[in-house]
Amino acid sequence: KQEVTQIPAALSVPEGENLVLNCSFTDSAIYNLQWFRQDPGKGLTSLLLIQSSQREQTSGRLNASLDKSSGRSTLYIAASQPGDSATYLCAGHSGGGADGLTFGKGTHLIIQP
Amino acid sequence: DGGITQSPKYLFRKEGQNVTLSCEQNLNHDAMYWYRQDPGQGLRLIYYSQIVNDFQKGDIAEGYSVSREKKESFPLTVTSAQKNPTAFYLCASSRGLHSGNTIYFGEGSWLTVV
Repeated sequence: KQEVTQIPAALSVPEGENLVLNCSFTDSAIYNLQWFRQDPGKGLTSLLLIQSSQREQTSGRLNASLDKSSGRSTLYIAASQPGDSATYLCAGHSGGGADGLTFGKGTHLIIQP
Repeated sequence: DGGITQSPKYLFRKEGQNVTLSCEQNLNHDAMYWYRQDPGQGLRLIYYSQIVNDFQKGDIAEGYSVSREKKESFPLTVTSAQKNPTAFYLCASSRGLHSGNTIYFGEGSWLTVV
């Protein structure tokens, strides 16, 4: 079964910095990978979905990449702002039904003003 | 606005009680899901439904039950058989179970055993 790991578990950076969040997965036969944002006590908000045939997706200041051969995905946040503070989760889909979607435990990001 | 509505936001359960969490979506999605989130752990799948009147067990279905009588609704019942129900419960939906579909989440429901 697919395993998804996010390191580090927590990250604190000054406002304005560019940063990269990491997500690694064990099954290279991944169908897609999705990045989410979760604010404290809230549900998950979808940020970007990368299909296995794609190498990256961009939305505003966010850019997500997918490298199946190395089992890695990264979420790049440009010019970070305090409003970016949240927990970021990645989830890999290995096909099949709903049980093919595996979530990482997330990276808790704090942007210092 | 389109979205997923979960209610109640906070719920307290006494020992031996069954409680039901509501999930309604107006996105016209066929697939719906229930996940459980515990501190320090990733989301775990409880049940999912691909279509009305059909649902499948996820990884941690024991002590839970669901129904899918309408496309828009997928309520989750936490039964007294669930020994450790205190958690954050998330309902989600997508156009289908196909892996190419974005999955959307509700705001979650907190369940506490008292």
